[in-house]
Amino acid sequence: ETGVTQTPRHLVMGMTNKKSLKCEQHLGHNAMYWYKQSAKKPLELMFVYSLEERVENNSVPSRFSPECPNSSHLFLHLHTLQPEDSALYLCASRSGTSGNNEQFFGPGTRLTVL
Amino acid sequence: LAKTTQPISMDSYEGQEVNITCSHNNIATNDYITWYQQFPSQGPRFIIQGYKTKVTNEVASLFIPADRKSSTLSLPRVSLSDTAVYYCLVGDMYSGGGADGLTFGKGTHLIIQP
Repeated sequence: ETGVTQTPRHLVMGMTNKKSLKCEQHLGHNAMYWYKQSAKKPLELMFVYSLEERVENNSVPSRFSPECPNSSHLFLHLHTLQPEDSALYLCASRSGTSGNNEQFFGPGTRLTVL
Repeated sequence: LAKTTQPISMDSYEGQEVNITCSHNNIATNDYITWYQQFPSQGPRFIIQGYKTKVTNEVASLFIPADRKSSTLSLPRVSLSDTAVYYCLVGDMYSGGGADGLTFGKGTHLIIQP
């Protein structure tokens, strides 16, 4: 257990559905991240939030919409996804202070888009 | 960001010491070297981090030569449960308020046999 939880752990959705992934940490961290890991590809950084503000968006399609209502919670809203969006979606958090780049990852949500 | 190069895969046996070397020829002065471990369908887990010379913790050692253009992760007396993908990352811990996302390569798939 890393202290970062993600729900749901598995999700199957159709291309017309709207769903949300949730990430939660109570480690006192103030930076949170979404990563995508497709089969046989390196982890790809999607979004970075620092102090609840989005500081990085790595050219992610608009069908992925992040939300960070407070420093402990991070959401990824999904709508009109494509089958190629099927992947493991990982949330991570970090203390956000200089001198420490250890990120704590959640277990991930395995997403399948039909 | 400094690019890293690692072997794609390695094999070893239980009880052996395993050394995984990572090349990072363009490492910058402020860059630290960090290693993560990832099991299938799980998020990566921080193993060790260092700047120069040698760092040791309860699970691994990290050797960094004086020129810092490479680093070696050493896993003592591996077991079957050490079968995983190991990622070497290089980055500046002091930039961006410490909230920078991580850039993962393809990692080294370590397979431990009985």
